[in-house]
Formats: sequence, structure tokens, C-alpha cells
Amino acid sequence: QVQLVESGGGLVKPGGSLRLSCAASGFTFSDYYMSWIRQAPGKGLEWVSYISSSGSTIYYADSVKGRFTISRDNAKNSLYLQMNSLRAEDTAVYYCARGLEYFQHWGQGTLVTVSS
Amino acid sequence: EIVLTQSPATLSLSPGERATLSCRASQSVSSYLAWYQQKPGQAPRLLIYDASNRATGIPARFSGSGSGTDFTLTISSLEPEDFAVYYCQQRSNLYTFGQGTKLEIK
Repeated sequence: QVQLVESGGGLVKPGGSLRLSCAASGFTFSDYYMSWIRQAPGKGLEWVSYISSSGSTIYYADSVKGRFTISRDNAKNSLYLQMNSLRAEDTAVYYCARGLEYFQHWGQGTLVTVSS
Repeated sequence: EIVLTQSPATLSLSPGERATLSCRASQSVSSYLAWYQQKPGQAPRLLIYDASNRATGIPARFSGSGSGTDFTLTISSLEPEDFAVYYCQQRSNLYTFGQGTKLEIK
């Protein structure tokens, strides 16, 4: 069955960097668009970024544009999110999710905390 | 950016009752709207896509309706496991989510 497992979260100081990973299994990873979606503690969902199946098309939410970079390695069935210049407001659980139009499959999330 | 506004923020009902949740878009999203259910400590689960289509494995008591700017999620008869937070999401212009409706036990 479809499985998405995020890793790489943790505590980082404001201005710092972190790289999240999402390991995919149970489906042909290279066939699917993938997204990162985040949820601040006690808050709602915010889409962050998506990448096409080949990696040629990428979009970002305005809130992270210029600071975050999404990428993928289809040979390793993995999705990544490089997060630079982190701010307190980036504190959230980060989910990877599969899909172009809607998000049928989600990982369990990884918590990123930005605090001094 | 398309803003989705959900109402009410909290809905208090008893098992067996009918639940009606609303999602209003700041501009037309055609039928490009989904509903998700999220329970504490879990990832969201897709319930409804394209306004009215149930996702795989979703019980028939969940139904969606609407188009343009006004959408409704209806749960015909609440089961104990239905008490959760519900989000709408549009895919007409990138993606945005509503702020959520918490469905709690009365």
C-alpha cells in the first residue's frame, strides 16, 4: 500500500536551515506529483509547494518563496524540502502528500520548531 | 489568492444527528473543491473531491454538494468516529484550505 514517511524535522534557530525528506513506497513514485503541506500547532492546513512527476514544474506558496526549495530523486523514491532563512512562523508539522489535484495520501508528518 | 471561509467554526451535535458544514470561496472555484477529515495526531483524510465525489472507502453517509462559491459537506447520521475537524480545499488556483470546522460531541 501507499506509504509516505517524512523525516528531518527538529529544533532550529531563527535564520537557520533544515532539510526534510519524504520516503515513498507502494506506488510508482515517478508517476506522481508531490506536495509539501504544513500545519502550525493548533492551526489549519497550508499548502507549501508542489513538484511535478519529472521535477520540471515547481510552485511555491508566497509565504516560502525564495526561502524553500522542493526537489525529488525518482531513483531513490524520495521527495525533499530544503528550508533556509527559517522564521518562527515556519514552526509546523510538515506533511508530504501525493497528488496533483487533491491529496489522497499523506505521510504522518515531521515537526519543525523554529525557536531561539 | 482564493480564500475559503468555513462555517460554523464549531458545531456541537449528538450521534445520530445530521451535520451540515459550509465552505464559501472568495471567487468561483467551479467544482474544484475537496473535503478532508482530520483527527487529533493524524494526517488529514480525503473524503470528497470535485465537490460531490466520495473518495475510495468513504462511507455513503458523507456527501458533498455545491459549485461556484458555495459548498456543503453533509453527514447524514453522525457516528462516534465522525467527531473531528473538517477542512475544505480548492484546486482552481494552486491550493488553499479553509480554516476548519470542529465537529464536537454535544
